[in-house]
Amino acid sequence: SQQGEEDPQALSIQEGENATMNCSYKTSINNLQWYRQNSGRGLVHLILIRSNEREKHSGRLRVTLDTSKKSSSLLITASRAADTASYFCATDVGQAGTALIFGKGTTLSVSS
Amino acid sequence: ETGVTQTPRHLVMGMTNKKSLKCEQHLGHNAMYWYKQSAKKPLELMFVYSLEERVENNSVPSRFSPECPNSSHLFLHLHTLQPEDSALYLCASSLGTEAFFGQGTRLTVV
Repeated sequence: SQQGEEDPQALSIQEGENATMNCSYKTSINNLQWYRQNSGRGLVHLILIRSNEREKHSGRLRVTLDTSKKSSSLLITASRAADTASYFCATDVGQAGTALIFGKGTTLSVSS
Repeated sequence: ETGVTQTPRHLVMGMTNKKSLKCEQHLGHNAMYWYKQSAKKPLELMFVYSLEERVENNSVPSRFSPECPNSSHLFLHLHTLQPEDSALYLCASSLGTEAFFGQGTRLTVV
């Protein structure tokens, strides 16, 4: 069953603006990850935040995690046209290895 | 390039055909996965292999048959598929947390 659910489903902004995407999940997690997918391609890992962390930064990316609300947000600052892609949150639920469960994703469109 | 290679990139097959998708990684990862991505649906986890043993099978129809002969290779054997099986099939590998994905095979069943 679906674990993560992103919001909004679609987001359109202008270059230079910030983009915020949210993710809610249902069960306890060890970590939450964000991935990016360009149209019809494979997913690329962006950032991982562990359950005992509240905020993490990587370049123009900022991720927050609120385990009490079972939610996370991904902020992309100073967006660029090249940031246009779909963004997914994923939580690991497998007993062996990492079996990531993804949501439907947020489709971000950045226009110049 | 993520280090995970999938072939073929595109595949068109009839409902009576038998074909196989191939995935290869030389990253030293010990877990490999098959995902299905259909339009307007979340990625569906199909199979998980850890140390070459299948540890998860998410109610996937038997017309999909995975094979993991060693830790670097993963196959998905397809037979008597249905048009609704048309999708992007993604392979991934990991060594615990972060997953590395291949570029996917775009499968069309006619």
